[in-house]
Amino acid sequence: DAGVIQSPRHEVTEMGQEVTLRCKPISGHDYLFWYRQTMMRGLELLIYFNNNVPIDDSGMPEDRFSAKMPNASFSTLKIQPSEPRDSAVYFCASSSQESRRDEQFFGPGTRLTVL
Amino acid sequence: DQQVKQNSPSLSVQEGRISILNCDYTNSMFDYFLWYKKYPAEGPTFLISISSIKDKNEDGRFTVFLNKSAKHLSLHIVPSQPGDSAVYFCAASVYSGGGADGLTFGKGTHLIIQP
Repeated sequence: DAGVIQSPRHEVTEMGQEVTLRCKPISGHDYLFWYRQTMMRGLELLIYFNNNVPIDDSGMPEDRFSAKMPNASFSTLKIQPSEPRDSAVYFCASSSQESRRDEQFFGPGTRLTVL
Repeated sequence: DQQVKQNSPSLSVQEGRISILNCDYTNSMFDYFLWYKKYPAEGPTFLISISSIKDKNEDGRFTVFLNKSAKHLSLHIVPSQPGDSAVYFCAASVYSGGGADGLTFGKGTHLIIQP
């Protein structure tokens, strides 16, 4: 299996631009998670889905952030408009009911820089 | 407020000796704890976990100890090897009734194994 795939790996954009991060979970996994890693706050959960339905989005920082999962093999995290404080590494992870409890499989991350 | 705290940003240990990484938590609802390991430019990978009904779990060179009364857990690596050099994240979750849960992570400890 290719594992969780994220694109792009690096994104540099200017303040005010729209940014879309993409994730392909491991085939057969029915849970998908978005995390953000910053120096100040560490790794924090933004939102997660079960069977393409958002379960908990309480970690989404503000209305500028939105996430969708139109099908079992694809999810997007969108920031519009982007701000310099959004600069971070964004990770996508997936898991299944058959995984060990809370063992999540992470992608390599997208490093976002907002100038 | 950080619910999972790793107070040592870095730790240096000689190869062959024991590495002890510490983690404290504040939320008494957490009932499952995990350690993830992360290499540069990669996503975190699951290492070992422990349920709150246990006080110890062992897997090869890795042992996790849980002290519920102190809200403290530790990861012991014996013997430490050069490949263990990585960032280690402590994580915790609250049982939500089935399926997967979002994880609350600490900020990580950078373990450096000296030859």
